[in-house]
Amino acid sequence: AQTVTQSQPEMSVQEAETVTLSCTYDTSESDYYLFWYKQPPSRQMILVIRQEAYKQQNATENRFSVNFQKAAKSFSLKISDSQLGDAAMYFCAYRGAFAGAQKLVFGQGTRLTINP
Amino acid sequence: DADVTQTPRNRITKTGKRIMLECSQTKGHDRMYWYRQDPGLGLRLIYYSFDVKDINKGEISDGYSVSRQAQAKFSLSLESAIPNQTALYFCATSDRTGPSTDTQYFGPGTRLTVL
Repeated sequence: AQTVTQSQPEMSVQEAETVTLSCTYDTSESDYYLFWYKQPPSRQMILVIRQEAYKQQNATENRFSVNFQKAAKSFSLKISDSQLGDAAMYFCAYRGAFAGAQKLVFGQGTRLTINP
Repeated sequence: DADVTQTPRNRITKTGKRIMLECSQTKGHDRMYWYRQDPGLGLRLIYYSFDVKDINKGEISDGYSVSRQAQAKFSLSLESAIPNQTALYFCATSDRTGPSTDTQYFGPGTRLTVL
């Protein structure tokens, strides 16, 4: 079974600085998707970024980028120029790419605090 | 995501009561999901549906049932609520085609408390 591990329960960063959240996963599949979701205090689950395992290029979305290391099964999220609105719980998630794979497997989450 | 709505947003009920949580989407997606979130455990899949006639159990379906009334509507029922079903419940949708194939988009969540 696939597992996702986020080893940092909490992180903090100064406003305007850069922070990296770690995620590792375990799978025997060769094709899959990886995601980062953000959950602010409003509790809404918001998609931050998506990576397809067959793509070697790291995904980027404005201030958010990932470092995808397939061999190491690592998928970290870098937030540049941190803003107060980035404060939230961040979840890393995995989904297999084969037709029957529907479940998102989530990590335990990392709570990110932004210090003004 | 405003395209996925859940009702109610908060609900308090008593042990043994039947309760229904509803989800509607205007994204035109064919796939819908129900997850629950417990503190420290992330989200876990309860049920999912590929289309109106295709419903499947997830990893924690015991004590729950679902109904896909239309492509846009997917409801979750607790037949006889128990306290350990107290959790945050999320509905999600995804599309099997398009540039974001199979990316799941979540509703705002329903906080359910069973006393």
